[in-house]
Amino acid sequence: AQTVTQSQPEMSVQEAETVTLSCTYDTSESNYYLFWYKQPPSRQMILVIRQEAYKQQNATENRFSVNFQKAAKSFSLKISDSQLGDTAMYFCAFMTTGGQDQGAQKLVFGQGTRLTINP
Amino acid sequence: DGGITQSPKYLFRKEGQNVTLSCEQNLNHDAMYWYRQDPGQGLRLIYYSQIVNDFQKGDIAEGYSVSREKKESFPLTVTSAQKNPTAFYLCASSRGLLRTQYFGPGTRLLVL
Repeated sequence: AQTVTQSQPEMSVQEAETVTLSCTYDTSESNYYLFWYKQPPSRQMILVIRQEAYKQQNATENRFSVNFQKAAKSFSLKISDSQLGDTAMYFCAFMTTGGQDQGAQKLVFGQGTRLTINP
Repeated sequence: DGGITQSPKYLFRKEGQNVTLSCEQNLNHDAMYWYRQDPGQGLRLIYYSQIVNDFQKGDIAEGYSVSREKKESFPLTVTSAQKNPTAFYLCASSRGLLRTQYFGPGTRLLVL
């Protein structure tokens, strides 16, 4: 079974600082997708960034970037120039490309990291 | 505007009552999903559907039922068999099973 682990339950940084959220996962698959979702106090899940395992280049979306280490099964999220609006729960999620087992194509979520950006 | 809507925002259930949560999308997505989120936890998959008139159980399907009669709609019924229904319920959709999932705003279910 695939599992996702976020080892930092809570983090807090000052506005404009850079922060890195950790995520590790466990799978025997070679092809899969990784995601970071953000859940602000409104509780709506918002996609932050997506990474395909076959791509060696790390994904980037404006101030958000990932450090994808496939051999180490690590997928950390870096937020640069953090803003007050970045305050949220951040979830790492994993999806295999499946095969015969269609159930393997579902998203598996980590427990989340609560990030607070202080003024 | 394209998006996913869920209603109601808050729902109260009495003991022994079935309640239905609505999820509608106008993104023309084929796949739809229901997740449950408990306090301080990640999301767990209840049911998912790849196409109309077809759906599959997720990890925690017991006490829940779904239907998919229209592409745009994927309602979730929380039955009286679900003994601990208090949670936040999120609906999602994607163009296909391997595509990025986009989420609705959620429904908070509370037991009276």
